[in-house]
Amino acid sequence: EADIYQTPRYLVIGTGKKITLECSQTMGHDKMYWYQQDPGMELHLIHYSYGVNSTEKGDLSSESTVSRIRTEHFPLTLESARPSHTSQYLCASSRTGTEKLFFGSGTQLSVL
Amino acid sequence: KNQVEQSPQSLIILEGKNCTLQCNYTVSPFSNLRWYKQDTGRGPVSLTIMTFSENTKSNGRYTATLDADTKQSSLHITASQLSDSASYICVVNSPTSGTYKYIFGTGTRLKFLA
Repeated sequence: EADIYQTPRYLVIGTGKKITLECSQTMGHDKMYWYQQDPGMELHLIHYSYGVNSTEKGDLSSESTVSRIRTEHFPLTLESARPSHTSQYLCASSRTGTEKLFFGSGTQLSVL
Repeated sequence: KNQVEQSPQSLIILEGKNCTLQCNYTVSPFSNLRWYKQDTGRGPVSLTIMTFSENTKSNGRYTATLDADTKQSSLHITASQLSDSASYICVVNSPTSGTYKYIFGTGTRLKFLA
């Protein structure tokens, strides 16, 4: 079992609200990632971090932001949620050298 | 363009039967290929990793193959069980600019005939 946790599991909010999706891992992994996944579609990378104070945007354009102040914590923030943000958000981590991704259980976000 | 294509998109089988899922990729350079299992509403979990020099690898009832020349991989599930009901995702890892990039397939959804 992977030691990577996401909260909340489900979130339903109204348009314009600010939200933060939490992700924590206890494996000491240096790399962390945020993916977006729609039903039947492949995972799309939206943000990644290779260490503390290091964050980069992924392949998929996103209006979200991330921070990496501590190794174990990689929260994702949406300043103003819109219906187009409705999706499943998956957090993952890996250790340099093995490159095996460990995923959290995901946050299913619905914006009304 | 780096792509990973999986087939079939979905598969319906009888419990106890064997099945084979396919993955074709056009990723270059290539580091390794992993098969992940994703249960509904959960994150993917790694089943097996295939490196360039490996042809076959087994993990319980799961057997993965890799043909690096034709850029094809398969995942064979033996004596399928209801707990195998999930999406199976092929992911190719490509070294780029001193790090790695993961290219995901869209997955094969495995379902059982009741």
